Amino acid sequence: SAVISQKPSRDICQRGTSLTIQCQVDSQVTMMFWYRQQPGQSLTLIATANQGSEATYESGFVIDKFPISRPNLTFSTLTVSNMSPEDSSIYLCSVGLSVLNEQYFGPGTRLTVT
Amino acid sequence: GESVGLHLPTLSVQEGDNSIINCAYSNSASDYFIWYKQESGKGPQFIIDIRSNMDKRQGQRVTVLLNKTVKHLSLQIAATQPGDSAVYFCAEKRRDSSYKLIFGSGTRLLVRP
Repeated sequence: SAVISQKPSRDICQRGTSLTIQCQVDSQVTMMFWYRQQPGQSLTLIATANQGSEATYESGFVIDKFPISRPNLTFSTLTVSNMSPEDSSIYLCSVGLSVLNEQYFGPGTRLTVT
Repeated sequence: GESVGLHLPTLSVQEGDNSIINCAYSNSASDYFIWYKQESGKGPQFIIDIRSNMDKRQGQRVTVLLNKTVKHLSLQIAATQPGDSAVYFCAEKRRDSSYKLIFGSGTRLLVRP
């Protein structure tokens, strides 16, 4: 497995502002992912963070709203831009140990937009 | 901490009993499945996985059963403990995707002392 940390753990933000969430892994990993978990819901994949190239977004998610960076094999950021109350969710980073397809999750960032 | 799964189906079991959590998956082309446990205020924790070429896999106090005929997955927890109280999610990976997991809606497990 891998040890994954996220910053911040939670935040309360005003609408119209942006928040950048950081994800740090204790070892180099091939694949990193960002998920959203809306209140009372399951997890939905936002995008795959690709090292050295643009992220791959899932249907319904766009780069302008959720820009992602991945400068190396242990770190990634997700920005939630121009926030509205509908963006209030838990945002989760996960990493893939690609050989076995296992994915491990960070503790999540709990975002509330007022 | 903040709760997740406020409107999820709930399974209530007596401490010491066995628990069975069920999941119906959607795609017959799925070839890999994972069970996750999510405690309040935490990220999902990997419990056990199984590939489509298997029917059963056992871990410590947990067993996953896969019935491909009816596209059904179950997680059995032996001698359920209070620390098992959490929301449990199944996730499937489709054969045509190298990594994308699709999560089920989740089940809340409550363990009565």
